[in-house]
Amino acid sequence: AQKITQTQPGMFVQEKEAVTLDCTYDTSDQSYGLFWYKQPSSGEMIFLIYQGSYDEQNATEGRYSLNFQKARKSANLVISASQLGDSAMYFCAMRDLQGGYNKLIFGAGTRLAVHP
Amino acid sequence: DAEITQSPRHKITETGRQVTLACHQTWNHNNMFWYRQDLGHGLRLIHYSYGVQDTNKGEVSDGYSVSRSNTEDLPLTLESAASSQTSVYFCASSESGSNQPQHFGDGTRLSIL
Repeated sequence: AQKITQTQPGMFVQEKEAVTLDCTYDTSDQSYGLFWYKQPSSGEMIFLIYQGSYDEQNATEGRYSLNFQKARKSANLVISASQLGDSAMYFCAMRDLQGGYNKLIFGAGTRLAVHP
Repeated sequence: DAEITQSPRHKITETGRQVTLACHQTWNHNNMFWYRQDLGHGLRLIHYSYGVQDTNKGEVSDGYSVSRSNTEDLPLTLESAASSQTSVYFCASSESGSNQPQHFGDGTRLSIL
């Protein structure tokens, strides 16, 4: 069965510094996709970045980048130049192909606090 | 702008009552999903639909049902509410395509007393 593990329940970082949020996954599929979502204290889920298993380059979206290490089955989110507004819960998710595509399996999340 | 709307945003009810949470999207997406969010568990899939008249059970479907009579709506029904179903519920939709992200509603906080 597919599984997503986020080992850091909480992280903190100083404003303007970079931070890495860890995500490891377990799957026997060759084709899969990984997503990161942000959930601020207001509660909404905001899509940040996507990485496909066959993508040759690590995904980037503005200050967000994905450190994708396929052999290690890790897809860590890197936030550069942290801002106070980055304080939120962050969820890693994997596309579940079993029984149909585009279902998502979520990790338990990492709460990031950005300190001034 | 296209959006996905959940209602109500907050609801308090009693055990044993039937409860229906609404989800309406104007993205014209075929795929729609219901999740529940509990501390320590992230989001867990309850039910999902890939089109009109299509519904499928997710990881935690016991005690829940959905119906899809049109593209825009996927209501979630708790047949007989239990205290264990106190949670935050999220509806999501997406285009068909394995790299397409899911777009989420703002959630419904449901308390069952």
